Amino acid sequence: NAGVTQTPKFRILKIGQSMTLQCTQDMNHNYMYWYRQDPGMGLKLIYYSVGAGITDKGEVPNGYNVSRSTTEDFPLRLELAAPSQTSVYFCASSYQSVKNTEAFFGQGTRLTVV
Amino acid sequence: AQTVTQSQPEMSVQEAETVTLSCTYDTSESNYYLFWYKQPPSRQMILVIRQEAYKQQNATENRFSVNFQKAAKSFSLKISDSQLGDTAMYFCAFMNSGTYKYIFGTGTRLKVLA
Repeated sequence: NAGVTQTPKFRILKIGQSMTLQCTQDMNHNYMYWYRQDPGMGLKLIYYSVGAGITDKGEVPNGYNVSRSTTEDFPLRLELAAPSQTSVYFCASSYQSVKNTEAFFGQGTRLTVV
Repeated sequence: AQTVTQSQPEMSVQEAETVTLSCTYDTSESNYYLFWYKQPPSRQMILVIRQEAYKQQNATENRFSVNFQKAAKSFSLKISDSQLGDTAMYFCAFMNSGTYKYIFGTGTRLKVLA
């Protein structure tokens, strides 16, 4: 199983540029999440989705957008990159049931905005 | 709002010794799950252990065990017979079974010394 796949693994953006971080999972999970990880700050939730067509804001959504047109894909869009968006981004998915509560993570995308 | 606190930014332990990482959380919910995730230098997030709040028995996974004190809202991780491969960042996480959002602490960087 591929699990959760994120692309790209590294990216450098200039201020004001746009990009999309791709995330796909092949486990038929209903829940998907985007987190950012800053040094000493843990993981902060940006957006999450409970199923295709349904998304909701997390703790730090400003400057980002998401869509969930299929169960498998959950891309994260940065419209006007700012230095404050320099971070490591993680996509995760889970299938919520009594016995299955684990979140599975992609390998992360290190984004630098200069 | 739920919060997760890890008060030990860094810890070290000698190989083969035992170490305990602390985590406290705050919630008014009664039905939730707690996790410890390991993040080695590869950046991959790996589930170490999971605890259901409705279970009084502490979870164990080989050399890893937890001390879950529900009334005190404490969830510590004990690593026995520490190995060099245990060197990593460890994150405590809380998941409310109503919202299915994972909330992470700021992490504890553990170094196992040879």
